[in-house]
Amino acid sequence: GQSLEQPSEVTAVEGAIVQINCTYQTSGFYGLSWYQQHDGGAPTFLSYNALDGLEETGRFSSFLSRSDSYGYLLLQELQMKDSASYFCAVSNAGKSTFGDGTTLTVKP
Amino acid sequence: DTEVTQTPKHLVMGMTNKKSLKCEQHMGHRAMYWYKQKAKKPPELMFVYSYEKLSINESVPSRFSPECPNSSLLNLHLHALQPEDSALYLCASSQDLPDGYEQYFGPGTRLTVT
Repeated sequence: GQSLEQPSEVTAVEGAIVQINCTYQTSGFYGLSWYQQHDGGAPTFLSYNALDGLEETGRFSSFLSRSDSYGYLLLQELQMKDSASYFCAVSNAGKSTFGDGTTLTVKP
Repeated sequence: DTEVTQTPKHLVMGMTNKKSLKCEQHMGHRAMYWYKQKAKKPPELMFVYSYEKLSINESVPSRFSPECPNSSLLNLHLHALQPEDSALYLCASSQDLPDGYEQYFGPGTRLTVT
């Protein structure tokens, strides 16, 4: 089976940096994906890590440590529009499992 | 074009109705997915199609019947649903399996079963 754990809620202020952690247990691991979902919207793909290390895409970065079964999403220079739910996910031969999601609230 | 479209946006149906949800993508993706999402919960995988063949069925009740008429279209036929089936139904696509790590989601159909 596959299970992922991430914090349920995170709060930060505009301009700050926030890190959302994800630990996983899977049988057959290809990599860790991150998705953003605004209230009432659809999930949007943010990043994917197949190998250990940091992947940077603009204000967002994602990190993976396969030996620790751990990854995180780093959001820098937070903006109000970053308030959303963030899901980590693993996919094994198309069988995708999402974490329960982290609700990020960005305050002025 | 990185868009996945879904129709209808909203659907209200009785427990004896038959309805269909439709999904379309023109990104040349060969894997397509149906998910169910309840409020404040993660998307829950229902079905996966790869090259128009059903690849994964996550033990979904038979009142949900998927269909993939061609590589761009995915349907979900609904029949005799229960109130607990009310949810957001999301369609997604990815380039291919086995990874499916980068999925593009449609806006979803919000289904209410009365």
